[in-house]
Amino acid sequence: DQQVKQNSPSLSVQEGRISILNCDYTNSMFDYFLWYKKYPAEGPTFLISISSIKDKNEDGRFTVFLNKSAKHLSLHIVPSQPGDSAVYFCAASYNFNKFYFGSGTKLNVKP
Amino acid sequence: DTAVSQTPKYLVTQMGNDKSIKCEQNLGHDTMYWYKQDSKKFLKIMFSYNNKELIINETVPNRFSPKSPDKAHLNLHINSLELGDSAVYFCASSPRGRGSSTDTQYFGPGTRLTVL
Repeated sequence: DQQVKQNSPSLSVQEGRISILNCDYTNSMFDYFLWYKKYPAEGPTFLISISSIKDKNEDGRFTVFLNKSAKHLSLHIVPSQPGDSAVYFCAASYNFNKFYFGSGTKLNVKP
Repeated sequence: DTAVSQTPKYLVTQMGNDKSIKCEQNLGHDTMYWYKQDSKKFLKIMFSYNNKELIINETVPNRFSPKSPDKAHLNLHINSLELGDSAVYFCASSPRGRGSSTDTQYFGPGTRLTVL
C-alpha cells in the first residue's frame, strides 16, 4: 500500500519553461514533505522541503506547494534548465518516524 | 571527502550466498537508514538506527540483519540470498532523526545487488 504516489513517470519540458511535478499522498498524519533529485548512478539529493503548517516554500528556482485538503504536493521549477534533467522523488513523514517515498518522475528538459 | 559512502557499488552473486554491504557517513549524523529501491522504483525503508540503537525495523525477512558498530557505520548483512533480493540498496543518514521537527536525509550512491 503506497502512501505516496507520483502518477507521472516522466515529464518533458522545453528549456526556460516551467516544470511542474506532482505528488499525492493518502495519510493525513504526514506533517513534513520533501523533494529529492536523483541523477543516474547516484543517490537521491535533498532539494527542498515543506512543513504541513505552510502551503508554500520557495528556494531560488524551486517552489513547493502543499494542498493539505487535497493531499497534494507539487514542485515547480522556473525556469527549467537542461541540468535539471533527473528523476525527482517526493517523500513524506510524520514525527520523523520514517519517510515514505514515491516512485519518482523522470524530468527531461530539452535545450 | 564523500559524505555517505557505500561499498560495493555493484554486487553480483549466486542464490543462497551470504553477502554484506557497508555504509559509512562522515557527517557526524545521529541517524542512519537502509532503503531498498524495488523494481517499481519505490524507495522503501528497511531499517533505521539512531546512535547505534535500532528504531525502525520494517517487515523485512530476518535474513536481513543490520549492524551498527558505531554511529558512523551501518552495515547490512543478507543471508541465503534469493532472486527477489535483487534491487538497489541505498544507505542514508540524517542529523537528528527521531523526535526532530525538521530533518533531511543524505543518501549514498547505492549498491546494485543482482542475485543469479
